[in-house]
Amino acid sequence: ELKVEQNPLFLSMQEGKNYTIYCNYSTTSDRLYWYRQDPGKSLESLFVLLSNGAVKQEGRLMASLDTKARLSTLHITAAVHDLSATYFCAVPNYGGSQGNLIFGKGTKLSVKP
Amino acid sequence: NAGVTQTPKFRVLKTGQSMTLLCAQDMNHEYMYWYRQDPGMGLRLIHYSVGEGTTAKGEVPDGYNVSRLKKQNFLLGLESAAPSQTSVYFCASSYPPKGLNSPLHFGNGTRLTVT
Repeated sequence: ELKVEQNPLFLSMQEGKNYTIYCNYSTTSDRLYWYRQDPGKSLESLFVLLSNGAVKQEGRLMASLDTKARLSTLHITAAVHDLSATYFCAVPNYGGSQGNLIFGKGTKLSVKP
Repeated sequence: NAGVTQTPKFRVLKTGQSMTLLCAQDMNHEYMYWYRQDPGMGLRLIHYSVGEGTTAKGEVPDGYNVSRLKKQNFLLGLESAAPSQTSVYFCASSYPPKGLNSPLHFGNGTRLTVT
């Protein structure tokens, strides 16, 4: 059974600081997705990581994937208040249901001045 | 381009009542999904569909039924609502996961309260 674990689940940062969110998953997968959710809103796709060693960057966020370690990281550089949101990673469950996504529980990020 | 549209946005039901949540997408996606989101639980898949006329169970299907009579629509039904079904429900659609690698496109959610 595929399990997806994120840590930390809550993260309070000061503006200007750097931090990393980790996403571990329990079975082999060739890709991983990151989503962002603002309070009371829907989920928005951030990154699609398609292969081992994949790295994608947008603004102050950078995501990477290590399929051998079954680990993805979301690195935040010089955080700003606008990055406050909940971040989810998700992995396709090929062994179960034709690839439906299994989500982590989310990391709630709060960036304070 | 509307993307994924869910109706209604909010609903309050009494225990035992029934209702149907509607989801429509205009992106010609084959796959459609219903997730529920509860505090501290992330998103859990209820049911999904890989094409018109097909449905399949996800992680937490009990108490729900679905139908996909048209490619663009995916309906989620609660036959006899229970307080445990109080949640935010998200519909999503995508291309086949093993194919075009597209992420899920989510609707804006339906906040359901069962009293």
